[in-house]
Amino acid sequence: GAVVSQHPSWVICKSGTSVKIECRSLDFQATTMFWYRQFPKQSLMLMATSNEGSKATYEQGVEKDKFLINHASLTLSTLTVTSAHPEDSSFYICSARDRGGKGSEQYFGPGTRLTVT
Amino acid sequence: DAKTTQPNSMESNEEEPVHLPCNHSTISGTDYIHWYRQLPSQGPEYVIHGLTSNVNNRMASLAIAEDRKSSTLILHRATLRDAAVYYCILSTDSWGKLQFGAGTQVVVTP
Repeated sequence: GAVVSQHPSWVICKSGTSVKIECRSLDFQATTMFWYRQFPKQSLMLMATSNEGSKATYEQGVEKDKFLINHASLTLSTLTVTSAHPEDSSFYICSARDRGGKGSEQYFGPGTRLTVT
Repeated sequence: DAKTTQPNSMESNEEEPVHLPCNHSTISGTDYIHWYRQLPSQGPEYVIHGLTSNVNNRMASLAIAEDRKSSTLILHRATLRDAAVYYCILSTDSWGKLQFGAGTQVVVTP
């Protein structure tokens, strides 16, 4: 089956620093990737849609200058949390759609737990 | 986006079937019904999806009402590994955007 990886799986950073999270589709090409955020005991919240070779589309209320998304290839999208603060501590999850797949299912990464101290 | 309504939680005994209901009374003609599940501290996992007809796969079955205003995910024989939050989501295939609701927490008892 299709596999999506994320790196790192967890990260601790100091307030004011930036953190980059990678999302890779390992065995398929993904024209579109999605980024979600999940706080404890809450559901996933869609942050942005990332299309290869173009600018990301952000959901309402998500600061595009704070959460920088780059989708430079068909297998890699990155999310950079700039000037992180404790309130940015969360579980960040990416997903990808198989460009050549027949179905509409998305494949999710295992998530990255970010803790800002 | 059309909204779905699910019970907060459901309990089942191991090896018994589980029927998870989902109401989506404002569904549009182009909305697909998707089901995903999420185990603790993991990313969601695709379970099944459908448009109008009932669907079966190795994980589950999806029964869709004739008027499409509700659907039921059926886990035929629950195992302890099926304990998870199950999300019923409507999405048009062309975009693929998934807006997650609160989902149903399934508890499986040995």
